Amino acid sequence: AQSVTQLDSHVSVSEGTPVLLRCNYSSSYSPSLFWYVQHPNKGLQLLLKYTSAATLVKGINGFEAEFKKSETSFHLTKPSAHMSDAAEYFCVVSKTGTASKLTFGTGTRLQVTL
Amino acid sequence: DVKVTQSSRYLVKRTGEKVFLECVQDMDHENMFWYRQDPGLGLRLIYFSYDVKMKEKGDIPEGYSVSREKKERFSLILESASTNQTSMYLCASSLMGVSDTQYFGPGTRLTVL
Repeated sequence: AQSVTQLDSHVSVSEGTPVLLRCNYSSSYSPSLFWYVQHPNKGLQLLLKYTSAATLVKGINGFEAEFKKSETSFHLTKPSAHMSDAAEYFCVVSKTGTASKLTFGTGTRLQVTL
Repeated sequence: DVKVTQSSRYLVKRTGEKVFLECVQDMDHENMFWYRQDPGLGLRLIYFSYDVKMKEKGDIPEGYSVSREKKERFSLILESASTNQTSMYLCASSLMGVSDTQYFGPGTRLTVL
């Protein structure tokens, strides 16, 4: 069984300040982990994914995430928020290498203020 | 670029109606998926298909069925729509196993009155 917990349903930051969106996962197997972003009235877009290679994963738009097995975490970070980052972010877990279902977190809404 | 399209952005139906949601992908992906998205619940998998005419139930298949007659097209069917099926429906496709990257359509917001 696998699950993912996004620790914050809503995060608010000022433009130019760092972003941290927290995600913990649970998996009986070696997991693949993803972060997706959904802008208002848009479909989901892949930000980055981890599939058992480097533990620090760089994605699009300056985002990155670090896989920490000991902490079962995959937090998403960005050094400096931009207004265009305001969106909903989903942490996702799946089982590496085999056909398996994606399990989505409940989402974190990121608000960016001036 | 992978493109996943859904037949409608907004749909309003009445209780008891049969509803078809269509999804088409243009990248020759083997796998296709239907999710529903509700506030505070994230995305939940309804059904997926890993080949033409093949389908598997997801986490919440009750009240839904699917059809995949062609590789590029995956349909979600609500046999008798109910108000609790009011939701955002998202279609996705992927090239390999489910653990590979999924590409999403823009979604269909369905309201059942």
